[in-house]
Amino acid sequence: DAGITQSPRHKVTETGTPVTLRCHQTENHRYMYWYRQDPGHGLRLIHYSYGVKDTDKGEVSDGYSVSRSKTEDFLLTLESATSSQTSVYFCAISFKQGDTEAFFGQGTRLTVV
Amino acid sequence: DAKTTQPNSMESNEEEPVHLPCNHSTISGTDYIHWYRQLPSQGPEYVIHGLTSNVNNRMASLAIAEDRKSSTLILHRATLRDAAVYYCILDKYSGGSNYKLTFGKGTLLTVNP
Repeated sequence: DAGITQSPRHKVTETGTPVTLRCHQTENHRYMYWYRQDPGHGLRLIHYSYGVKDTDKGEVSDGYSVSRSKTEDFLLTLESATSSQTSVYFCAISFKQGDTEAFFGQGTRLTVV
Repeated sequence: DAKTTQPNSMESNEEEPVHLPCNHSTISGTDYIHWYRQLPSQGPEYVIHGLTSNVNNRMASLAIAEDRKSSTLILHRATLRDAAVYYCILDKYSGGSNYKLTFGKGTLLTVNP
């Protein structure tokens, strides 16, 4: 299995509080991604990174920010959590894009009350 | 953005072949066709990918239509462990070296003993 770890695995937080989710990899892969998964929507891309300090928005980036200060860590921050951000969040990594496979973490279940 | 269309659900019997269809009529020439699957409470798992030619690996085969507007994932002998949601995804070229994995809703495969 690819070395990819998400933390925390479960979190309950209150509306309006900041939340940071961490994705840590030991594979030295260049590309990292954050997705959210909700019933009826499949997985939707939030943000992705194509190198240290290089990030870009996905299709559902509003309300989220990311940072990547070193290759192995990709942080997803909800500046002020809302109930609509209750979801399961998945991190993924890949060596390159297009002609390669991506590896996914086990997910973080976030509940905003 | 290029989209894929898959049946919501399919059913199969154990040890029989399964053909999972996917339509992607707006595919671009540089888009790779990827298949991932997701077991309950787990992150997506890579199955196979291709560009133009049919592909085989230890898990499955991928048959790509000549015009690339459709593809079929073939599980040669379904087992109970193959019961999952299968996603057909276009690894979409978005400029430079940046591809984005865009997920649809997938096909829920049920395997009967």
